[in-house]
Amino acid sequence: DAMVIQNPRYQVTQFGKPVTLSCSQTLNHNVMYWYQQKSSQAPKLLFHYYDKDFNNEADTPDNFQSRRPNTSFCFLDIRSPGLGDAAMYLCATSRSTSGGRTDTQYFGPGTRLTVL
Amino acid sequence: GQSLEQPSEVTAVEGAIVQINCTYQTSGFYGLSWYQQHDGGAPTFLSYNGLDGLEETGRFSSFLSRSDSYGYLLLQELQMKDSASYFCAVKAAGNKLTFGGGTRVLVKP
Repeated sequence: DAMVIQNPRYQVTQFGKPVTLSCSQTLNHNVMYWYQQKSSQAPKLLFHYYDKDFNNEADTPDNFQSRRPNTSFCFLDIRSPGLGDAAMYLCATSRSTSGGRTDTQYFGPGTRLTVL
Repeated sequence: GQSLEQPSEVTAVEGAIVQINCTYQTSGFYGLSWYQQHDGGAPTFLSYNGLDGLEETGRFSSFLSRSDSYGYLLLQELQMKDSASYFCAVKAAGNKLTFGGGTRVLVKP
């Protein structure tokens, strides 16, 4: 089945120790998104890639970076995790960014990050 | 910017009907999406309204009124497995989604 895969499902890191979360997709979608979701809150968009074009949200902290080496994979790098960065990180994909009915975003299962 | 309001929690019994309302204020509106999220799980797409009116998908229906900046999700014939959080999300330019705070639905036997 075509899908969005995130590894690992659970990640523990230490305060200030860089961590990388990964996302892969078999949907062959052009767009990949990263969201942060804190406990009992709504998902919040951090950034997205349309192909190789990176689009950062204005309020995303510099501590968060992303890489997309090819169509299938996208990584979220947190350079110096703080306690406030503990959250579920969700990856999503869509075919394009035209915003029409066919551009549904499909989410992966998420990676729950714990910062000690 | 975008802001969305939806109730924080709804409780109902199996077999009942639940309506989750969503009001929004937005600059640049393409449509309203609904997602279901079980505890610890991924948001799963349920429905999308780009135009006014009702969209029906099995037991779930969604409605949009663009003039009223209002939509709702209707869950019919509630089942225990429907216990989850439900998010409305405004779709804007660039296919960006802004989510509401979520409505936790608790289904009781």
